[in-house]
Amino acid sequence: DIQMTQSPSSVSASVGDRVTITCRASQGISTWLAWYQQKPGTAPKLLIYAASSLQSGVPSRFSGNGSGTDFTLTISSLQTEDFATYYCQQAKSFPVTFGQGTRLEIK
Amino acid sequence: EVQLLESGGSLVQPGGSLRLSCAASGFTFSSYTMSWVRQAPGTGLEWVSSIGGRGVGTYYADSVKGRFTISRDNSKNTLYLQMSSLRAEDTALYYCAKDCYGDHVRCFDPWGQGTLVTVSS
Repeated sequence: DIQMTQSPSSVSASVGDRVTITCRASQGISTWLAWYQQKPGTAPKLLIYAASSLQSGVPSRFSGNGSGTDFTLTISSLQTEDFATYYCQQAKSFPVTFGQGTRLEIK
Repeated sequence: EVQLLESGGSLVQPGGSLRLSCAASGFTFSSYTMSWVRQAPGTGLEWVSSIGGRGVGTYYADSVKGRFTISRDNSKNTLYLQMSSLRAEDTALYYCAKDCYGDHVRCFDPWGQGTLVTVSS
């Protein structure tokens, strides 16, 4: 199985900050990586697919980068509504696996 | 608008069975791979199972293989998850999700609101 490891597990930041979350795959997955945002009590929402493609309707302050084993999700200027938990997910091979999540909290 | 509505979750005893349903609308159901993803209370996301658009290919996490069966009825635009030999560790909110591309498993969009399965005596 391909293991997905996110770092950090949690991060505190302020409105307007630039934040980067990292996801590392245990083996190469090309660009078969997606990022999700989940707020408490709601279903996950797709932000980025194919490592760097912005899902329709997602603000342009979100961006993804990477290929192979190392990936990043960057929020260029944090807004209040961005405080949530973020997950990466690989679909290079079964079983599909998710990272453990990164909780983004208000400083 | 694409909508996914799960149902069927409940409290069930260990060893029991349950069938979850996911009613889909707003897209050509048979053209998309559909999946179940679960989330135990306070934890992260765990992929459970996926099924191809025509129902031919099915895939399972090792943790549920042999106990859960995914299926679909394209005439009813409905996805199912038959769960048997349930264990306490199956307790979770079960989401159904549509593939974001088509008849593959690449990413999940959108997700339903989830249905809660609690396995306890």
